[in-house]
Amino acid sequence: QVQLQESGPGLVKPSQTLSLTCTVSGGSINSGTYSWSWIRQPAGMGLEWIGRIYSSGYTDYNPSLKSRVTISVDTSKNQFSLKLSSVTAADTAVYYCAREPRYHYDRGDYWVRYFDYWGQGTLVTVSS
Amino acid sequence: SSELTQDPAVSVALGQTVRITCQGDRIRTYYANWYQQKPGQAPVLVIYNKTNRPSGIPDRFSGSTSGNTASLTITGAQAEDEADYFCNSRDSSGNQVFGGGTKLTVL
Repeated sequence: QVQLQESGPGLVKPSQTLSLTCTVSGGSINSGTYSWSWIRQPAGMGLEWIGRIYSSGYTDYNPSLKSRVTISVDTSKNQFSLKLSSVTAADTAVYYCAREPRYHYDRGDYWVRYFDYWGQGTLVTVSS
Repeated sequence: SSELTQDPAVSVALGQTVRITCQGDRIRTYYANWYQQKPGQAPVLVIYNKTNRPSGIPDRFSGSTSGNTASLTITGAQAEDEADYFCNSRDSSGNQVFGGGTKLTVL
């Protein structure tokens, strides 16, 4: 059974950098079938995809956050990490990491992606 | 547009059938996934690529699409189905997008 666990500071000061790590157990992060994503959710609000990384290190980011986001991977530790710079109160949210399978759906000729395993989430508060 | 639109709230009587919808241009062309989220918990995948149900998800959950609308149908809603439901698809660049969520109340 694959498990993901977020870790990192729960409180970050405005203008500083938020740093979180996701540790994957029960499966290898070094699989070409999956990418690994970060998703966040402000209290009482919806989900926002932050970005993804492949085991190769290739990344995709949400355009609205791209200038402030860095996602990296450490395959030796089976971990991937998120850095979000210049944070403000608007970045206060529960942050989730998730596994993202992908496969090509021939009938529709597109790649299917979804989130099948999620971490429990970690609340990060931006406050001085 | 990459936006996905959901009704904020829907209610259903215990044992009845309810449909939760998600509208967006990209649903015509790409996948729609559905997640269930209960208070204080991480989302759980209930439907992927429009109609596929992961193992372990009860068969009262089903998915469908028509034009630019994806639907999640719960046939015979149970008290434990009360939750927030989020749809998910992609934009033209392959970035993931989510709907605003629908709060389902089981009466």
